[in-house]
Amino acid sequence: KAGVTQTPRYLIKTRGQQVTLSCSPISGHRSVSWYQQTPGQGLQFLFEYFSETQRNKGNFPGRFSGRQFSNSRSEMNVSTLELGDSALYLCASSLNRRLTDTQYFGPGTRLTVL
Amino acid sequence: KNEVEQSPQNLTAQEGEFITINCSYSVGISALHWLQQHPGGGIVSLFMLSSGKKKHGRLIATINIQEKHSSLHITASHPRDSAVYICAVPENTGNQFYFGTGTSLTVIP
Repeated sequence: KAGVTQTPRYLIKTRGQQVTLSCSPISGHRSVSWYQQTPGQGLQFLFEYFSETQRNKGNFPGRFSGRQFSNSRSEMNVSTLELGDSALYLCASSLNRRLTDTQYFGPGTRLTVL
Repeated sequence: KNEVEQSPQNLTAQEGEFITINCSYSVGISALHWLQQHPGGGIVSLFMLSSGKKKHGRLIATINIQEKHSSLHITASHPRDSAVYICAVPENTGNQFYFGTGTSLTVIP
């Protein structure tokens, strides 16, 4: 089975722009979670989608949003980018809910905001 | 306040040494994950455990739910074990997922 894929792998944007990141889960996995990783804050949970519905959301402003499509692919959007949004954005998929299932991580999208 | 505390933050070991990484948490959980992250960013899930002990090759993970503590052991460490090890706990309510700050392990040949 193919692993979790994320596109693009690298992205450079300027402040004020918006960005959309994509995540394709392992075939058959229904849950997709998104995480932000920065040197200062480490890994932080953004949100989780299951069956096209956002189930949980971490402590991030409303500029961070996402969605999940019927084929379980997920997108994450960040509007009005700030310098502090520069980070590695990781998605992970699991068969069912993330609480009880092993998570499979994608390679990440490295976003740089100038 | 950190919901998940890991120790040590950095660890250097000689090849062949036995290594222990500790994780303590303060939230109620139903399971705990140990993750491994190599330079370059890729994260691999090593273990997901809710009780007792699990073993995979040279890696052993234990958890004590009552004491809110988990350990990751590496027996006969090897340079390829060099990575950052992160413990992660999904809160019981399912509303949050907390991560430790990670333990950076370097194994010297």
